Amino acid sequence: GAGVSQTPSNKVTEKGKYVELRCDPISGHTALYWYRQSLGQGPEFLIYFQGTGAADDSGLPNDRFFAVRPEGSVSTLKIQRTERGDSAVYLCASSFQGAGGYEQYFGPGTRLTVT
Amino acid sequence: GENVEQHPSTLSVQEGDSAVIKCTYSDSASNYFPWYKQELGKRPQLIIDIRSNVGEKKDQRIAVTLNKTAKHFSLHITETQPEDSAVYFCAASMDSNYQLIWGAGTKLIIKP
Repeated sequence: GAGVSQTPSNKVTEKGKYVELRCDPISGHTALYWYRQSLGQGPEFLIYFQGTGAADDSGLPNDRFFAVRPEGSVSTLKIQRTERGDSAVYLCASSFQGAGGYEQYFGPGTRLTVT
Repeated sequence: GENVEQHPSTLSVQEGDSAVIKCTYSDSASNYFPWYKQELGKRPQLIIDIRSNVGEKKDQRIAVTLNKTAKHFSLHITETQPEDSAVYFCAASMDSNYQLIWGAGTKLIIKP
C-alpha cells in the first residue's frame, strides 16, 4: 500500500513569509508525528497527534509554528514569519495505534529553505 | 527529559567485518528503542527495534542488545556489505506510540 507522503518535496521561501507543509499518513494510522531534521543531526520532535487532537506539542519551538489534523488523517504544519533558522528537512511519520503497531513510518520529508 | 547519546559519530570498517554502534539514554522510564537507517537524501527506515522486556534481538546480520541497568543499547552489524553504508540513528521512547528522542547519528562507511 501507499506509504507516508509529504508535499511539497522542496520549498524555498523568503524570510518573513508564511508556509504550509502537508503530510498524508498511511491509511488507518491514528498517530501522526512531525519532526525537524537539520543537516548532520538526528530528527527533533515537534508535535504528536492522536486522531484529530495534538497529544503533545511540547517540541514546537515557538508560537510561529502550528499544526492541525482536522479529520484525523492529513496534517498540515504551518510556519508564520519564517526565519533562516527554520531551514531544515521537515519529516512526518505515522504509526498504527493498536496491538503490535509500534513502528513509525516516515515520509520523504519536505526540505524547507528560507532565504 | 530524555537524552540520547550515540557513539561514534563516524565508523569506518572493512567490508565483511562487524560494526558496533552504541547509545545511552538517561530516563529509566524509556521502554522502546528503535534503530533507523537513513541513506543520503532519503527518509529514515526502521531496521530493528527492541522493547525493555528483552535483552537482545536478532534479525539476520543485525542485532540489538539492551542493558536496562546501565541504560545503554547497541547495534551490531555482522558481515558488513557496501549497501550497509548509511547514517544510523538510535532513538528512545517511553511508549512505542509516542515521540522518539534521537541520537545524533553514526555515519557508517564500508570500505571495499
